[in-house]
Amino acid sequence: AQRVTQPEKLLSVFKGAPVELKCNYSYSGSPELFWYVQYSRQRLQLLLRHISRESIKGFTADLNKGETSFHLKKPFAQEEDSAMYYCALHGSGNTGKLIFGQGTTLQVKP
Amino acid sequence: SAVISQKPSRDICQRGTSLTIQCQVDSQVTMMFWYRQQPGQSLTLIATANQGSEATYESGFVIDKFPISRPNLTFSTLTVSNMSPEDSSIYLCSVGLGTSVYNEQFFGPGTRLTVL
Repeated sequence: AQRVTQPEKLLSVFKGAPVELKCNYSYSGSPELFWYVQYSRQRLQLLLRHISRESIKGFTADLNKGETSFHLKKPFAQEEDSAMYYCALHGSGNTGKLIFGQGTTLQVKP
Repeated sequence: SAVISQKPSRDICQRGTSLTIQCQVDSQVTMMFWYRQQPGQSLTLIATANQGSEATYESGFVIDKFPISRPNLTFSTLTVSNMSPEDSSIYLCSVGLGTSVYNEQFFGPGTRLTVL
């Protein structure tokens, strides 16, 4: 079965602390993985995708096929990073379907 | 990128009635998707609505309950029929730009539906 698991509903850190939002997936084949973010009162938007191997707003995510993980990391959290973060997987079948995790609320305290 | 608008932004409806949600995109797109986000839950794909073909529904969703129209490359509607309180959710449309199914998806602001 194709599935995305985000084990933490809420992650609370202080400003300047490192952040790691966990994401594990279940998929046979080569996965296409994404992190989407939803800031307060804004729409869902793409943060980054594993195939681009880029850093956006200081966030990075590395695909670990051995551990079937795609954790999102940032060395120093900022208050403006407070948002809901969703890990998503492109489903098989060439349909464009996205399978989302449950989401993790990141709260960065001053 | 794409700018997507949805109407209505929110509505409160009585059970047994139907609501049609509109999704308008500022550019022509082939791939359009409709998602549902139930309270406290993640996003779940309802159906894919590509212009020129019938909508493709995911397991657990049927056309009689969620009929979709896709009359052109910039517009789609999703109807929630014979509503019950379990249909209370946020409904989102999204689009994929270009021809690859693996391209980034852009999301609308969502329609918050409450069924009494």
